[in-house]
Amino acid sequence: GAVVSQHPSWVICKSGTSVKIECRSLDFQATTMFWYRQFPKQSLMLMATSNEGSKATYEQGVEKDKFLINHASLTLSTLTVTSAHPEDSSFYICSARDLSVNSYEQYFGPGTRLTVT
Amino acid sequence: DAKTTQPTSMDCAEGRAANLPCNHSTISGNEYVYWYRQIHSQGPQYIIHGLKNNETNEMASLIITEDRKSSTLILPHATLRDTAVYYCIVGDNAGNMLTFGGGTRLMVKP
Repeated sequence: GAVVSQHPSWVICKSGTSVKIECRSLDFQATTMFWYRQFPKQSLMLMATSNEGSKATYEQGVEKDKFLINHASLTLSTLTVTSAHPEDSSFYICSARDLSVNSYEQYFGPGTRLTVT
Repeated sequence: DAKTTQPTSMDCAEGRAANLPCNHSTISGNEYVYWYRQIHSQGPQYIIHGLKNNETNEMASLIITEDRKSSTLILPHATLRDTAVYYCIVGDNAGNMLTFGGGTRLMVKP
């Protein structure tokens, strides 16, 4: 099946700094990617839908100026957590669907664990 | 809000079948039932999906009731590596985002 990668797999940063997380579709093109956040012992929560060549669509309660999403190519979306605070510490996961095949499967990245100290 | 309800947790003996139920009483006619699982600290993995008919693949079987208000995911011979959180999700086939509920934490025991 198709593969989605994320980089970095984990990151520790100081409060007030910004962190960029990359999501790549390795062997397919993805016009749409999704960003999720997962706190410990909780389910995944959709943060935003990333659209290639246009602005991302954010879910209610997600600050678009804090979580900057850029989807500049068909294989790469980035999520930048700006001015990170300890409450932003979480597991961030992206997903994408290969629309070139008749598949209903969404492919998820391995996740990025962010710890803000 | 998630459109599905699942038991919070279940245990299963290694080698036995694991039957994971899911209620989706408000499912609409064009919505599919998807199952994903998440092994600890990893991204979710697709298992199977269905619309009306029962489905089977190399990983599992999906049994959907005739009224489509509930379904059961069956892992025919559970192994320790099947220990994970299993999510039942209702959604369309347009590639839209998935809304995750609480899932069922399946513990496969030796």
